[in-house]
Amino acid sequence: GAGVSQSPRYKVAKRGQDVALRCDPISGHVSLFWYQQALGQGPEFLTYFQNEAQLDKSGLPSDRFFAERPEGSVSTLKIQRTQQEDSAVYLCASSLKGPPETQYFGPGTRLLVL
Amino acid sequence: SQQGEEDPQALSIQEGENATMNCSYKTSINNLQWYRQNSGRGLVHLILIRSNEREKHSGRLRVTLDTSKKSSSLLITASRAADTASYFCATDAGFSGGYNKLIFGAGTRLAVHP
Repeated sequence: GAGVSQSPRYKVAKRGQDVALRCDPISGHVSLFWYQQALGQGPEFLTYFQNEAQLDKSGLPSDRFFAERPEGSVSTLKIQRTQQEDSAVYLCASSLKGPPETQYFGPGTRLLVL
Repeated sequence: SQQGEEDPQALSIQEGENATMNCSYKTSINNLQWYRQNSGRGLVHLILIRSNEREKHSGRLRVTLDTSKKSSSLLITASRAADTASYFCATDAGFSGGYNKLIFGAGTRLAVHP
């Protein structure tokens, strides 16, 4: 079956611009995670959804970052007034249910803020 | 902030040789997972070892876990050029919310030369 997909794969934004990154998890997966991966580093947790409920947003760097999953499937990560330090790869992962289920990662969206 | 630290940061070997990567972490865990990331791609789950396990095998992969030393190692035997990738360990502390927020290390970049 289809894996986790993300769009766009690449996004170039001017500083101050708003961006929206989309994640399509594997069908039926309850859990959805967003991670941020800076160049040469490992992914860092941003936020977690269980179905449509956002249970943890402790990793969001600032109030410019907002995520939603209104119908418990597709999720959108929105970054308002982008800054250069927001440049990174944004990874989405989904898993079927709770721990210790394997997380399946999408290919990521590479965001470059100029 | 990342909990895991991989060692070495980079490893270069010839095809057929074994590759060993180490991971250290700081807090108690429920399980530890290893992921592979090819350049510009998402992460692929390799293996999960639970805190009550000491060793686990999957094909050419062997993972060990020493909870007393808070460390793990990943051994890839008879390496192939296709094994060239970054390898990350991720710890799952099993947060009270019942989901597995993964904490990744910075990764080991493995290059296998034909």
